[in-house]
This record gives sequence, C-alpha cells and structure tokens, in this order.
Amino acid sequence: EAGVTQSPTHLIKTRGQQVTLRCSPISGHTSVYWYQQALGLGLQFLLWYDEGEERNRGNFPPRFSGRQFPNYSSELNVNALELEDSALYLCASSFLQGPDTQYFGPGTRLTVL
Amino acid sequence: DAKTTQPNSMESNEEEPVHLPCNHSTISGTDYIHWYRQLPSQGPEYVIHGLTSNVNNRMASLAIAEDRKSSTLILHRATLRDAAVYYCILRFMGNNAGNMLTFGGGTRLMVKP
Repeated sequence: EAGVTQSPTHLIKTRGQQVTLRCSPISGHTSVYWYQQALGLGLQFLLWYDEGEERNRGNFPPRFSGRQFPNYSSELNVNALELEDSALYLCASSFLQGPDTQYFGPGTRLTVL
Repeated sequence: DAKTTQPNSMESNEEEPVHLPCNHSTISGTDYIHWYRQLPSQGPEYVIHGLTSNVNNRMASLAIAEDRKSSTLILHRATLRDAAVYYCILRFMGNNAGNMLTFGGGTRLMVKP
C-alpha cells in the first residue's frame, strides 16, 4: 500500500513569492493535515481538511491556506513568503475512525531566500 | 490537549532495552496517550497508543501508570535504526473537533553501537 506522498521534495523561493505544496493521502483516508517544522520551533499544526472542508487551523496567518480535492489530495498555499517560512512542511493523512493514527509523508523542504 | 514532559535526550547501548519516560500530570479521563517517533530526515511515524492498560505491538510496549499521570515507552532491544526523536502526545478522542497532534520537544534517543 502506498504511503502519503508529497511534492516537490525541495523548493527554493525568494521573499514575496508564492508557493504551492501538494499531498496525496493514503488510499481510503479522508483527512489530511499539514504541519510546519521550522528549525528550533518543533512541529506545529497548520491545517486540517476532511471531506473537502477545512476543519481546523493552527495559529498561522491567513497567507497560509489550502484546499482538499474530491479525491482527498490536498494543496498548501503560502503567499507573500517570508524568510521565517523556511521549514519542512509535513502532510499527514488519517481515517477518522478508531485510533485515528496519522501517517506522515516525507515532507517538502522549503527554503526562502 | 494536556501538556506532556519528556527528557530532552537519552542514550542507550545497542541491543539493550530503553525506557523513555513521559509525564502528563494534567491528563483527563478521555485523553489517549500516543507515541510517535521521527527518524532523521523523515516525517514522524506512529509507534503505539493506549488509554489505561499496558499495550504491546511489534515496535514497542507502552506502560501506563495506574493514575495515568505518567507513561513509559519501552523498546525491548534498541537498534541503531531506533535513533530518533520520540514524542509523547495526549489526544482527546471524545470527538474530532481538534484532531491535530500537538508535538512537544520530544526525547532525542541516541543509540551507541
């Protein structure tokens, strides 16, 4: 069974630009989560999508947004990039039953210059 | 989610058991105890979870104190591949209103050959 996939693997952008990160969940999973792992700040929750709707978001500015498609894949968009947006962006998926274990992808490493 | 406290780092010898402690004195009756680990350059992966009783799976064992204010993740024979950051996370499973994982600093486990 294929795991959570993310693209691209690495990305370099400059301040002020916009970026789109993509995530494909495990087959059968309806929930997708986005986390940011910046150096020195640990893993922080960004967004949760389920059945195409945003269910919850973390303490991030509105320039962080996303969506979930009918096939449950998801995009994370970050507008007006700032230097501190440099981080590993992790996507996880889960099936909202039982222990609701979250399965993580390998992440997208974003560098903002 | 209630807060957890873990040592910043621990060291173990290869093929010896490792006991990773976690304190969660403010745990509520509906909080499950989850453990995830993050190997270098990878996304986090689920290890084990429990509510009240001790749990075993192929990766590890989880020992939960009778008052549930602490727990211990047990790796029965540490290997070099177990070197990772281990996160103890409390999750309210009463409903899915929040659902995100709240990561603390975790314990960095170093395994010596």
